Amino acid sequence: AIQMTQSPSSLSASVGDRVTITCRASQGIRNELGWYQQKAGKAPKLLIYGASNRQTGVPSRFIGSGSGTDFTLTISSLQPEDFATYYCLQEYSRPRTFGPGTKLDIK
Amino acid sequence: QVQLVQSGAQVKKPGASVKVSCTVSGFTLTELSMHWVRQAPGKGLEWMGGFDPEDGETILAQRFQGRVTMTEDTSADTAYLELSSLRSDDTAVYFCATGGSGMDVWGQGTTVTVSS
Repeated sequence: AIQMTQSPSSLSASVGDRVTITCRASQGIRNELGWYQQKAGKAPKLLIYGASNRQTGVPSRFIGSGSGTDFTLTISSLQPEDFATYYCLQEYSRPRTFGPGTKLDIK
Repeated sequence: QVQLVQSGAQVKKPGASVKVSCTVSGFTLTELSMHWVRQAPGKGLEWMGGFDPEDGETILAQRFQGRVTMTEDTSADTAYLELSSLRSDDTAVYFCATGGSGMDVWGQGTTVTVSS
């Protein structure tokens, strides 16, 4: 199975900051990667699919990029509602695999 | 639009089985590829398995093979996840999810607690 890693595992930032989360696959997955946001007690929410395509309704401050093995999710200007845990998910091969998550909290 | 509604929380004893349902509205189940994801308390998301339209079959993560069954009742537009030989580390919230590119629709989650 393809292994997914994320860095950092946690991150403290302030409203207005620009933050970047990285996801790395153990082998090439083309652009078949999604980013999910999860808040406590809630189901995950799809933010980005196909590595760089924003899901309908997702604010433009969420930017996904990358292909092959290295991917990033950038939040250009943090808003209070963005403090959550973020996961990447590869859909290139079966089984699908999630990254371990990045917890983003308020500094 | 698609909505997924899951069955309620369950408490089971070790060694028992549990069956969680996920009912679709807004679409028919046959139009969707359903996946199941779980999350143990304080832990990350874990993909358990789902329907692969390219292969036309349900694929399970290796660690669940032999213990997990994913079925569908198309007449009721309901998908089911059954997990047998429950252990304490199966205590988790179980989600169904679906979508084309990415899983953009999720159920609300079903808490399964395994405790003696």
